[in-house]
Amino acid sequence: QLQLQASGPGLVRPSETLSLTCFVSGGSISSGTYYWGWIRQPPGMGLEWIGSVFYSGDSYQNPSLKSRISMSVDTSKSHFSLKLSSVTAADTGVYYCARHRMVEASFDFWGLGTLVSVSS
Amino acid sequence: QSALTQPASVSGSPGQSITISCTGSSSDVGAYDYVSWYQQHPGKAPKLLIYEVNNRPSGVSTRFSGSKSANTASLTISGLQAEDEADYYCSSYTIRTTLHYVFGPGTKVTVL
Repeated sequence: QLQLQASGPGLVRPSETLSLTCFVSGGSISSGTYYWGWIRQPPGMGLEWIGSVFYSGDSYQNPSLKSRISMSVDTSKSHFSLKLSSVTAADTGVYYCARHRMVEASFDFWGLGTLVSVSS
Repeated sequence: QSALTQPASVSGSPGQSITISCTGSSSDVGAYDYVSWYQQHPGKAPKLLIYEVNNRPSGVSTRFSGSKSANTASLTISGLQAEDEADYYCSSYTIRTTLHYVFGPGTKVTVL
């Protein structure tokens, strides 16, 4: 059974860079069928798609965040990563990684999520 | 401010059917049949219920069904059960600026 597990620091200082990694197990990160996505959820609020990355490194990002996003994949370690620069309190929330079925435009497997707080 | 609109809350009694709407525009919901629906229980990760407007992943109850008309998609839950009490989000592929994905603000379903 596919499993995704996001990890990263729970606290990030304002103006610094948030770095998260999602480890994929029970399936191949190099499958040509899927992208690998990041979605976040501020406390008590709705979901926001951040971006999705293919095993080759090809990626799509939310236009509202694109200037601050860097995404990558390490197939040898079966993980993909997100870096979000110049964070503010508005970037606080639970960050989910998920498998993105690009053809059907849906996220079919989700990790448990990791809470990131931006505070000095 | 989400590009998609959902009612903040919908409620129903056990056994009833309820429908949640998701209204977008000709740049998202109305443009393609790439609407999906997710269920999220408190403190849990979202779960995919419906993709491509009306397709259910393996293992999802047939009580969940989706449809679309013009710029509005809908999720219907039939035979409402206590376990259906959760937040529900729609999502759509959009071409508004560059291709990406948007989520609705979510609908809280309460089972009375």
